[in-house]
Amino acid sequence: DTEVTQTPKHLVMGMTNKKSLKCEQHMGHRAMYWYKQKAKKPPELMFVYSYEKLSINESVPSRFSPECPNSSLLNLHLHALQPEDSALYLCASSQKRGTNLNTGELFFGEGSRLTVL
Amino acid sequence: AQRVTQPEKLLSVFKGAPVELKCNYSYSGSPELFWYVQYSRQRLQLLLRHISRESIKGFTADLNKGETSFHLKKPFAQEEDSAMYYCALSGRGGSQGNLIFGKGTKLSVKP
Repeated sequence: DTEVTQTPKHLVMGMTNKKSLKCEQHMGHRAMYWYKQKAKKPPELMFVYSYEKLSINESVPSRFSPECPNSSLLNLHLHALQPEDSALYLCASSQKRGTNLNTGELFFGEGSRLTVL
Repeated sequence: AQRVTQPEKLLSVFKGAPVELKCNYSYSGSPELFWYVQYSRQRLQLLLRHISRESIKGFTADLNKGETSFHLKKPFAQEEDSAMYYCALSGRGGSQGNLIFGKGTKLSVKP
């Protein structure tokens, strides 16, 4: 399995809702990422997990709460979002466990398209 | 500051013409540079990285530290090359693989 799988593909939520985005990889990667991509813009890094521990938080508002329950899963919990949070949320993974080799290749999922009403 | 600049939002060429997508970077240490590509309705994927000095799908890119550039080139463009191309830099020593992307260049290859 060489894919990163994201669910749901589409999500519409109100500003008072609580929802979660899910990401799964079975490539034995130790690093997992959340990126946010607005229309016609490049992906922007939000969070990085390394060996299930949060290693980078790019000053993301607390209404976004990441969680890495195990080596294959990455969640992004959403609460009290704003309409400007509407975007494509991309999950990615990289780096085989047990190696220091960083090829720089990130494997991306297809993304979850979020609309906040 | 770490920054990647792609000056062209859109590049349109005819099939068989040479292509050069420009990328300049700003980084205080030793950079790791990459080109990622996103074809229509497909996920973002790695095209090539400067470390491996390889040619993928006829594309090459050379890291020029003097000019802080990493331009992507192909001598003869094909229609299937039409896609969004992102130049990316691996920051923080590259140990964690997180990427900083340029704004992207949309390449359109006309028949």
